[in-house]
Amino acid sequence: DAKTTQPNSMESNEEEPVHLPCNHSTISGTDYIHWYRQLPSQGPEYVIHGLTSNVNNRMASLAIAEDRKSSTLILHRATLRDAAVYYCILISGSARQLTFGSGTQLTVLP
Amino acid sequence: GAGVSQSPSNKVTEKGKDVELRCDPISGHTALYWYRQSLGQGLEFLIYFQGNSAPDKSGLPSDRFSAERTGGSVSTLTIQRTQQEDSAVYLCASSLGSLGAGYGYTFGSGTRLTVV
Repeated sequence: DAKTTQPNSMESNEEEPVHLPCNHSTISGTDYIHWYRQLPSQGPEYVIHGLTSNVNNRMASLAIAEDRKSSTLILHRATLRDAAVYYCILISGSARQLTFGSGTQLTVLP
Repeated sequence: GAGVSQSPSNKVTEKGKDVELRCDPISGHTALYWYRQSLGQGLEFLIYFQGNSAPDKSGLPSDRFSAERTGGSVSTLTIQRTQQEDSAVYLCASSLGSLGAGYGYTFGSGTRLTVV
């Protein structure tokens, strides 16, 4: 699977928006961009995914660059419960498993 | 059910014993996956079931590990003659279709296995 690059850590203040970046310059045309997060002592949780167009759901928004070489996960109002490791993953058409990188550790400050 | 259900949530077993871990996927989800996560480590893929196709067992670490999925629904992961290095959180996930077709996973809460 193509590689993604994320910052190791980010901080945000509670109730402020958070923009989590992900670079994926080697993405292929059929790769989906998935985001998952893992809270301490819990299994991973699906957040959002997209292919070309920006996506919104109840948890977050996904902004995908026009050239698809980067994307940004947007949490509109961070809460303490959003503190987790966030993983950006590219899924190819032949993918049969998720491969998690090191992700971004998001700290939310009260 | 509303989510992926795994049981037991915690299991402590003696070295050399067999254990069975159960996963109830979301109703209608054709794809089912098992992963494990050791303390402070990333997820390690174990096995993948998709519909009636033969499972992808390429991630199973040894022949002590096996899994089955009955009736395209419930899955059981069996570890025979457990070893201390088998201690980990075993996670099950299901999805409506294959990853490559754009479907996301829903994970269960996992079974924490401790081999003493």
